[in-house]
Amino acid sequence: AQKVTQAQTEISVVEKEDVTLDCVYETRDTTYYLFWYKQPPSGELVFLIRRNSFDEQNEISGRYSWNFQKSTSSFNFTITASQVVDSAVYFCALSGGSNYKLTFGKGTLLTVNP
Amino acid sequence: ETGVTQSPTHLIKTRGQQVTLRCSSQSGHNTVSWYQQALGQGPQFIFQYYREEENGRGNFPPRFSGLQFPNYSSELNVNALELDDSALYLCASSFWAPRTDYGYTFGSGTRLTVV
Repeated sequence: AQKVTQAQTEISVVEKEDVTLDCVYETRDTTYYLFWYKQPPSGELVFLIRRNSFDEQNEISGRYSWNFQKSTSSFNFTITASQVVDSAVYFCALSGGSNYKLTFGKGTLLTVNP
Repeated sequence: ETGVTQSPTHLIKTRGQQVTLRCSSQSGHNTVSWYQQALGQGPQFIFQYYREEENGRGNFPPRFSGLQFPNYSSELNVNALELDDSALYLCASSFWAPRTDYGYTFGSGTRLTVV
């Protein structure tokens, strides 16, 4: 069975602070994919990143960066110099190599205050 | 490139009624999945359709059923509505072919309230 744990339910920061959202996953698949999605109040899930299990390189995209560590089954997401527009619920998700369903964590509500 | 569109955006139904939610997949996508997101929770996988057949199902009872049409649009039907069915229902489309990466595009969802 697959499981995704986002231990942080809510995080509140002041604009320009850096913030890291934690994600820990469990799977027995040797091939799998990890995702991060952003959900603004409008409800749509906005894709941020997909990483497969064979690619452990960290990735940076503008103010966003991701740290994938297979040894600890973690896929953490850092926002540098946070902005008010970053306020949303962020979900980490996992998909197996042989099926297509996404298993989501419960999400982390990030509030960035001006 | 069109995105995934869902209708209606909001819906109120009475317990025991039936409801049909609709989804138009992104152009070029051949797979559609449905998710239920209760308030304060992450989305839960309901089922997936590929080539008009169900090819994966989550832990949902048979009163949740679906259809995928030749134009890759889809419907989610829920019979005998219960109060706990109140949630945001999300549709996601993707393109599947051997040795391709997964790419899911989500719609904005239908907010269903059962009273």
